[in-house]
Amino acid sequence: GAGVSQTPSNKVTEKGKYVELRCDPISGHTALYWYRQSLGQGPEFLIYFQGTGAADDSGLPNDRFFAVRPEGSVSTLKIQRTERGDSAVYLCASSLTGGVLGSPLHFGNGTRLTVT
Amino acid sequence: AQSVSQHNHHVILSEAASLELGCNYSYGGTVNLFWYVQYPGQHLQLLLKYFSGDPLVKGIKGFEAEFIKSKFSFNLRKPSVQWSDTAEYFCAVKGSGGSNYKLTFGKGTLLTVNP
Repeated sequence: GAGVSQTPSNKVTEKGKYVELRCDPISGHTALYWYRQSLGQGPEFLIYFQGTGAADDSGLPNDRFFAVRPEGSVSTLKIQRTERGDSAVYLCASSLTGGVLGSPLHFGNGTRLTVT
Repeated sequence: AQSVSQHNHHVILSEAASLELGCNYSYGGTVNLFWYVQYPGQHLQLLLKYFSGDPLVKGIKGFEAEFIKSKFSFNLRKPSVQWSDTAEYFCAVKGSGGSNYKLTFGKGTLLTVNP
């Protein structure tokens, strides 16, 4: 079946620009997560959605980062006034339910963001 | 706050060699532990997980891991590696408390298996 789909797979933007990264989770998965993986690091938690609402956005680095999931399915991560330090692979994952044992995360291939 | 430490940044082995990748975690409560694998050009995939019960967990492709609570460790093992095991391996922990949806990952270990 279809997995988690992320678009674009690569995004190059200039410093100061605005970008949107899209995640299409597995159908029926109510929980959606965004992680960020910088070079040489493991994925770091950014935000968790349960349905349409952001249940935990404590991992967002600052107010330039924002994410939405208006219909409880597709999610968009938005980054304003991009900085070179935002360059990383942004990973999206979904699970059938959130916070429940035995509900594994399914990851997408990620969007590689490069800010020049 | 929970944290995960993976001791080896890059491990190079020949085929048929035995593998052990170290993972230590820091968390003050009950934990769930995971190993994820990322093959070249592919997404992160779950290799195995520990929630409770038998501390020796078997996963896919002949991998296993042992949870040693007293050492806060969850090392990954495989008796005989293959070239196709070349990948990056991530240990991760999830607390069982209020943030039980949040995975904390280690920095990863790159495994290169030479034919």
